[in-house]
Amino acid sequence: AQKVTQAQTEISVVEKEDVTLDCVYETRDTTYYLFWYKQPPSGELVFLIRRNSFDEQNEISGRYSWNFQKSTSSFNFTITASQVVDSAVYFCALSEDLYGNKLVFGAGTILRVKS
Amino acid sequence: DVKVTQSSRYLVKRTGEKVFLECVQDMDHENMFWYRQDPGLGLRLIYFSYDVKMKEKGDIPEGYSVSREKKERFSLILESASTNQTSMYLCASSLMETQYFGPGTRLLVL
Repeated sequence: AQKVTQAQTEISVVEKEDVTLDCVYETRDTTYYLFWYKQPPSGELVFLIRRNSFDEQNEISGRYSWNFQKSTSSFNFTITASQVVDSAVYFCALSEDLYGNKLVFGAGTILRVKS
Repeated sequence: DVKVTQSSRYLVKRTGEKVFLECVQDMDHENMFWYRQDPGLGLRLIYFSYDVKMKEKGDIPEGYSVSREKKERFSLILESASTNQTSMYLCASSLMETQYFGPGTRLLVL
């Protein structure tokens, strides 16, 4: 059975600090997708990234970067030089479905960035 | 830009009422989804639909039904609302393996 664990329930940092959100997953499939979503206080989940299991390259997008390691079943998310606008709940998710249906979400990590 | 809208942001209903939550997407997506979000549990899939009039149960379908009469609209129905259905309900539609979410409906059942 597939499972996603976000062990950090809540993280508080001061603006400009770097912060890493952890995500560990379990799956028996060799083909799967991993996702990160951001949920700001407005409530709408915002898609951040999708990574398929065959692509282990790390990715950087501005202040965001993702580290995918199949050997440890982890897909961690780092925000560099955090800002107050980064305050949100962040979800990691896994799909074994080739079409991205049936997402399994982690419990989420609340990130609070203080000025 | 993908646009997924939900009919209400907040809703208060009484136990036993029939509740309709509506979701509309404007990008001609084939797939649509209903999730509920509860603290500490993340999002859990209730139902999804991969075509008009087609539906498939998710992980927690009990107490819910859905309707998809038109491609752009996916409705979640609580036949007889109960207090344990108080939650945040999120609708999504998908294109190319990525799901795009609406703003959510926060439902309180008294």
